[in-house]
Amino acid sequence: NAGVTQTPKFRILKIGQSMTLQCTQDMNHNYMYWYRQDPGMGLKLIYYSVGAGITDKGEVPNGYNVSRSTTEDFPLRLELAAPSQTSVYFCASRDREPNSPLHFGNGTRLTVT
Amino acid sequence: GDSVTQMEGPVTLSEEAFLTINCTYTATGYPSLFWYVQYPGEGLQLLLKATKADDKGSNKGFEATYRKETTSFHLEKGSVQVSDSAVYFCALSAPNDYKLSFGAGTTVTVRA
Repeated sequence: NAGVTQTPKFRILKIGQSMTLQCTQDMNHNYMYWYRQDPGMGLKLIYYSVGAGITDKGEVPNGYNVSRSTTEDFPLRLELAAPSQTSVYFCASRDREPNSPLHFGNGTRLTVT
Repeated sequence: GDSVTQMEGPVTLSEEAFLTINCTYTATGYPSLFWYVQYPGEGLQLLLKATKADDKGSNKGFEATYRKETTSFHLEKGSVQVSDSAVYFCALSAPNDYKLSFGAGTTVTVRA
């Protein structure tokens, strides 16, 4: 019953450092998403993917990159970390059936100082 | 573009009180509407959904009715428990769209 697994759970970065947030799902879902959650701001979509080899920008893609080489994995890359990227990051996936629910990971809490 | 507006929190209630969280939406066409819940330290999980006008979604004692005439999808529970303390998100998915738009979230705390 793994579902959506995110690693790491917590991370502290210095300004200018880079890192990759990992996300993997074992439900064979075509659609995968990265959101960031800031206090009082809800969830903002960073990037999404409708299948292996296909990615698209969401509302707030600047400063991030993604890849989708397999159905299971959807890593999020921060190349030059900035304080504005301090947030909680959630990966989610869902089946291709219309209105199927999103399945979320437990999040990665990132602090950039 | 499509968007969701939900009532600001935080909301603090006593056990067995009635809970309502307002949610209104702006969308072209006929979106699907969702309520997600986030318990402390966890990701979001689907609470209930409605896919067409006048549908009522229900789960765990929570209910919400899709009202097209008022573009609303208010969440209600008749008698809350301490275990209902969480952040609640209203969300919308436009027809033929892969993405969901979320409201800002409403933090609910239930006191014993």
